[in-house]
Order: sequence, then structure tokens, then C-alpha cells
Amino acid sequence: GAGVSQSPSNKVTEKGKDVELRCDPISGHTALYWYRQSLGQGLEFLIYFQGNSAPDKSGLPSDRFSAERTGGSVSTLTIQRTQQEDSAVYLCASSPYFRAVLSSGANVLTFGAGSRLTVL
Amino acid sequence: DAKTTQPPSMDCAEGRAANLPCNHSTISGNEYVYWYRQIHSQGPQYIIHGLKNNETNEMASLIITEDRKSSTLILPHATLRDTAVYYCIVRVVGIGGSQGNLIFGKGTKLSVKP
Repeated sequence: GAGVSQSPSNKVTEKGKDVELRCDPISGHTALYWYRQSLGQGLEFLIYFQGNSAPDKSGLPSDRFSAERTGGSVSTLTIQRTQQEDSAVYLCASSPYFRAVLSSGANVLTFGAGSRLTVL
Repeated sequence: DAKTTQPPSMDCAEGRAANLPCNHSTISGNEYVYWYRQIHSQGPQYIIHGLKNNETNEMASLIITEDRKSSTLILPHATLRDTAVYYCIVRVVGIGGSQGNLIFGKGTKLSVKP
């Protein structure tokens, strides 16, 4: 597609339920990032995928959070046993493979519109 | 990646130039300076980036000091739609560099006023 697509755009769930958030990156972008943004706060890095390399999971806040990326394209962020503090906007971004833009540094991130999660 | 320091907020009159400063005194020779902005309720949007030369595109100009320890993003004729949080980020790119997570600080909240 033309941009990064995320779904659902809004999700309201009850505490303790599991949720899945989906991200469709720009076609051909091999790097994919997940961030979250709590109300009035900055962006918090969660996880990063690059091609077939092991993902950088250093930002995941707890073992209730996991993400996978199937076929090097679509990614799903799963939050198990949701808590109220998980309420936030979850943003996905993708970028082209850095070797292709080595000399210009232009491996910029394109963000989706986000998935707003509300845990009651 | 080097850390950046930005003022938390700035005001600018509509039609005037907005100059947003960023300090990155620990920047390394292979780190680029990137600027993104986030308009309310939207995902961040790339604006411009540079290594050591000044850069200009249709959105903005980026002025990087000779020692690369600071930079300024210039919006030449700010409009109300430029009201947003502006993030300055430095990042290593290229073979051998980390293309890992992009660290966003708190940014500068720019308010363009009529």
C-alpha cells in the first residue's frame, strides 16, 4: 500500500483480556518498528524487526507483550492479560533496508496512524 | 546514539519563521541529525535530515553548526498547521551502524499563533 496501515484504529477491552494489534508496512520496507505513546507522553520504543535478523525486543515492558512478523511483512503485537496501564496509542513504523540508502542516511521511518487501546 | 536536548515549548507568529534549536554535543562523526514532527492525534512525520551540510527541502531547512554539536530546524513561513511537537534525533546509519530503535525524546511543542 501507499502507507503504513494499522488496525484496529480503536480498541476498547476489559482488564485481563488479550488483544492483538496489526501493522501492514509499506511494501518493500524490511524494517518494522513498534512504539507506544501514553496520553501526553513521548514515544516509547517497544520492538524492532529487520529482515530475517532476530528482533530487538529490548523495549518490551513485560512478558505480557510479544510481537511477530510473518513472511517479513505484516506484524502483530499481542498484549496478554491487559492492564489499565497498557492504555495508549500503539504506533507502527517501517523503513527501507539501510544498505539501500547507506550513503544518504535516508532510511527514514514512515509511521502509521496508530491503534488506540483503552483498557477498562 | 547521542542524546539531544530541546526546549520544551516555543511560540511563533503565523507567517513568521520558526527556529527550533537542538543540542547534540556528544554527536559522533557517523551520526546523522533527523527531525520529525507529530501533529496532534497523528503518527510522527519525517521532516528532514543531515550529516554536516545544511539541508533544505519543501518543508524546512536544517542548519548544522560546523562542530555539529547543535542544529536548528527552520520553518520559513509557519502556518497554524505547523503546530506540533518537533523531535530532534541523532542516529548512526550505514553498514556496521545500528539501525535499531529510534529514540524519541520529549521534543519541542511548537504553537503557531494567529
